[in-house]
Amino acid sequence: SQKIEQNSEALNIQEGKTATLTCNYTNYSPAYLQWYRQDPGRGPVFLLLIRENEKEKRKERLKVTFDTTLKQSLFHITASQPADSATYLCALLIYNQGGKLIFGQGTELSVKP
Amino acid sequence: GAVVSQHPSRVICKSGTSVKIECRSLDFQATTMFWYRQFPKQSLMLMATSNEGSKATYEQGVEKDKFLINHASLTLSTLTVTSAHPEDSSFYICSGLTRGWSEQFFGPGTRLTVL
Repeated sequence: SQKIEQNSEALNIQEGKTATLTCNYTNYSPAYLQWYRQDPGRGPVFLLLIRENEKEKRKERLKVTFDTTLKQSLFHITASQPADSATYLCALLIYNQGGKLIFGQGTELSVKP
Repeated sequence: GAVVSQHPSRVICKSGTSVKIECRSLDFQATTMFWYRQFPKQSLMLMATSNEGSKATYEQGVEKDKFLINHASLTLSTLTVTSAHPEDSSFYICSGLTRGWSEQFFGPGTRLTVL
């Protein structure tokens, strides 16, 4: 069966440390993998997109890796801040599905000062 | 990034009534709009995909006669929850996509509570 799983429901880290979130998928052939941030009671906000032929993408303190052999993406936030506390969702965009996204269940990140 | 708005942001209604939620793309033309539902502590579940001027495509298990979707223009899609019941209480989120883009832009969501 097709599944997208994110590593844990909650991740607690200390300010200044690097947060690493995992997204694994099975039985999909995605064109892109995307990461979104969602704050409570709000819609998701797009952060980064990585294509199937890319290994790594960076944006400021964010880094995403994509391993299509392992069927895994890692999402890193370096020098984390309390303002980074939110739920982070990974999503797969599948070929020939009209832009449809399949979301993981999300990982709630809490950064303590 | 592109902006998507939703109205209302919050609605409370009685069981058996119908509720309409609007989704607007403010600064781009959304050739495709998506409607999602999100229960507490769960991920977004796609309900339906609508292309401007066409009938919506519903995901398996989503009743098309209960969740009416209209995408009459490139900037507006509406979701009507007909004969709402308490189990329809959820967070409804729309998103817009335009041709050639690979990222969807999401609205802020509508919290529906059915009493």
